[in-house]
Amino acid sequence: GNSVTQMEGPVTLSEEAFLTINCTYTATGYPSLFWYVQYPGEGLQLLLKATKADDKGSNKGFEATYRKETTSFHLEKGSVQVSDSAVYFCALSDPLDNAGNMLTFGGGTRLMVKP
Amino acid sequence: NAGVTQTPKFQVLKTGQSMTLQCAQDMNHEYMSWYRQDPGMGLRLIHYSVGAGITDQGEVPNGYNVSRSTTEDFPLRLLLAAPSQTSVYFCASRRQGYTGELFFGEGSRLTVL
Repeated sequence: GNSVTQMEGPVTLSEEAFLTINCTYTATGYPSLFWYVQYPGEGLQLLLKATKADDKGSNKGFEATYRKETTSFHLEKGSVQVSDSAVYFCALSDPLDNAGNMLTFGGGTRLMVKP
Repeated sequence: NAGVTQTPKFQVLKTGQSMTLQCAQDMNHEYMSWYRQDPGMGLRLIHYSVGAGITDQGEVPNGYNVSRSTTEDFPLRLLLAAPSQTSVYFCASRRQGYTGELFFGEGSRLTVL
């Protein structure tokens, strides 16, 4: 079956530091890949996506590149802010798995940014 | 612009009680789903629906029932609550064809004693 593995958290950084959150996946087909963000007390929000190999998704200064050869989709940001403190989830949608109706999530990585 | 609205936000039940978590969306989305979020396990899909009158099971459906009588509403029913169902529940919707691009509600925290 499909699976998504994220690095364990929490990740604690100082403001303006460089961020990397690792995500690797296992899928039967050619999945689409997503990063979601969950701010305290809120539901998840789609942050960025990539639908095919070598695609780069980007939003709000965050980037992730779909690497088929390493089955990875690592999230990066050049300079984090305190307001980026949240839990980040990597997810995949596999069209061979029930027509993509079942999104598979990783366990989430908590990011804490200190001023 | 309400988006996805869940009620209640908090609920405490005793083992064996029943309840319904409500979910409504005003975006005319065909697809709706329920997830549960447990520490360290990410989100797991309980049930989903691709349109009114159509529902299907997700990864962890046992102990939960759903129905979809209208496009807007997708309630989740717990018939005999168990402590293992203590969790945060999220309803999410999307437009058909936009696989993976979910809009989430704010969540419902359920505690079963």
